[in-house]
Amino acid sequence: DTGVSQNPRHKITKRGQNVTFRCDPISEHNRLYWYRQTLGQGPEFLTYFQNEAQLEKSRLLSDRFSAERPKGSFSTLEIQRTEQGDSAMYLCASSSPDGLNTEAFFGQGTRLTVV
Amino acid sequence: GENVEQHPSTLSVQEGDSAVIKCTYSDSASNYFPWYKQELGKRPQLIIDIRSNVGEKKDQRIAVTLNKTAKHFSLHITETQPEDSAVYFCAASMGNFNKFYFGSGTKLNVKP
Repeated sequence: DTGVSQNPRHKITKRGQNVTFRCDPISEHNRLYWYRQTLGQGPEFLTYFQNEAQLEKSRLLSDRFSAERPKGSFSTLEIQRTEQGDSAMYLCASSSPDGLNTEAFFGQGTRLTVV
Repeated sequence: GENVEQHPSTLSVQEGDSAVIKCTYSDSASNYFPWYKQELGKRPQLIIDIRSNVGEKKDQRIAVTLNKTAKHFSLHITETQPEDSAVYFCAASMGNFNKFYFGSGTKLNVKP
């Protein structure tokens, strides 16, 4: 599968623990996005990278959340001191470097359960 | 910020019938409107998109219409098949990157 890859697919953690997710975008895509999806809702934008630069962050991304894309390829999303409200599907997407809006390809997501 | 509303939340149709899902948006600066299909446990996949300089776009059984004045856009699926059963999300974005504002989704059930 040469699409967007996310790991792990599922993560169960105890409240207060830190978790880190990884996203590998489609190789030629320089734009990478993180979204969060809760049950019965559409995905909500969290943050956006162009190459290694984080260009926008949502207010949903509290101080406990940090995302990186150190070499402009894969990205990580870390949540510190997890809370039950962090339980959700975390989706990564990537798109091509065209100037206009283009198709964003989503990964299968990491489902986080905080117990 | 942009607000996208989607209706209905659930839609049940008989195989062969048409299905229509409607979305409204609030920010007139939005210029790109994709529709994603998400099957249970799978990733969202783009099925059709439309830009603000176009009023209608069709791809086989799927069509999307856009009314910029009224700020609403709709997905039309004709001759529905059981494999069309999924959750459909509309989205809107502006500018030149894919910061999408998604609707809350429509669960489509196509009964054989």
